[in-house]
Amino acid sequence: GENVGLHLPTLSVQEGDNSIINCAYSNSASDYFIWYKQESGKGPQFIIDIRSNMDKRQGQRVTVLLNKTVKHLSLQIAATQPGDSAVYFCAENPYSSASKIIFGSGTRLSIRP
Amino acid sequence: DSGVTQTPKHLITATGQRVTLRCSPRSGDLSVYWYQQSLDQGLQFLIQYYNGEERAKGNILERFSAQQFPDLHSELNLSSLELGDSALYFCASSPGISDQPQHFGDGTRLSIL
Repeated sequence: GENVGLHLPTLSVQEGDNSIINCAYSNSASDYFIWYKQESGKGPQFIIDIRSNMDKRQGQRVTVLLNKTVKHLSLQIAATQPGDSAVYFCAENPYSSASKIIFGSGTRLSIRP
Repeated sequence: DSGVTQTPKHLITATGQRVTLRCSPRSGDLSVYWYQQSLDQGLQFLIQYYNGEERAKGNILERFSAQQFPDLHSELNLSSLELGDSALYFCASSPGISDQPQHFGDGTRLSIL
């Protein structure tokens, strides 16, 4: 599948446990951040986003935390399920008036039964 | 299903050849973005079109070009293909010039032999 051979950090989690995926972004001027999930054979799928005026945002089973002081973003997935297995990308928009986004290198999440 | 359609799903060709990748954005979206995902580079932004006009350029080679037609579908043309052009090419769309998030298609896998 996609990203085979790409050296990605891997997170292995027991089914039912919570997952935390971390991301360090590069541009202190970035004001919008997105998490995408990419399953094998599919394109990136939007999960959740957050703007720089917020520290936390919650969705269904997912929470994104933003720490602007250390330029760190995290994605928390509650009660991880087999269907959560994928590569997760964080992305930042360093240009508030444009739509160019910069993707991180991704983290592969694998679920242990 | 993101609503973004890309064709073909797979393309195999030889060095020196030229190919055209096609993208139909989600209904109502005026912006189309092209990305390249290769094993050693991750997801790289190539170019954005908005309502038929080029809006932003990323790391797009001079051998590559794109256009967006009046019906808003877009084509990415890759010429003088090299082995290193083998990658997944994704199209994404959004409603306006700088709306986020972008929604991705499932990509075209290009293999250069």
